Amino acid sequence: EAGVAQSPRYKIIEKRQSVAFWCNPISGHATLYWYQQILGQGPKLLIQFQNNGVVDDSQLPKDRFSAERLKGVDSTLKIQPAKLEDSAVYLCASSLLGGSEAFFGQGTRLTVV
Amino acid sequence: SQQGEEDPQALSIQEGENATMNCSYKTSINNLQWYRQNSGRGLVHLILIRSNEREKHSGRLRVTLDTSKKSSSLLITASRAADTASYFCATDGDYTGKLIFGQGTTLQVKP
Repeated sequence: EAGVAQSPRYKIIEKRQSVAFWCNPISGHATLYWYQQILGQGPKLLIQFQNNGVVDDSQLPKDRFSAERLKGVDSTLKIQPAKLEDSAVYLCASSLLGGSEAFFGQGTRLTVV
Repeated sequence: SQQGEEDPQALSIQEGENATMNCSYKTSINNLQWYRQNSGRGLVHLILIRSNEREKHSGRLRVTLDTSKKSSSLLITASRAADTASYFCATDGDYTGKLIFGQGTTLQVKP
């Protein structure tokens, strides 16, 4: 069974630039999560989709972050413009149902300089 | 906001010893899960315990859940150097289906 695919694995950008991350969840998984993980901390939920609808985006900085999940499958997370404090690993995960066992991708390590 | 809080933040033991880490959470839950994260890698699901269960085993892992105290513990028996990782508890956040993680416990197992 193919796992959760994320790209790119690494990205270095200058502050005020824009960046996009892509995630392909496990086939058949209705729920997709995007997390931000700052070094030494636990993953922070940015946004959760159920199919192509948003379940929760209460911690997504909507002035600079956006996410979409077209056709309830792949998802993209965008940051525009990036700040230094956005440097983190961005993790995508999927599960059959919200709150059930989640499968994580390898993450994208973003460095903003 | 983080739902769970793990204790201790860091733990260092010798190979062969047991490791116990605890998680406290704030809201009602349907289930609680434990995940492992090796350095620089994604998270891996270890075990899920439902709110109507008190104890669950999987290989060398034993998880307990006390819903009255809103707490859980993860016991790793006969630890190995390969168990060195960060361990996180995650809850489904007050029946919302959200998956909220704690700050984690960093475990070092010395050979």
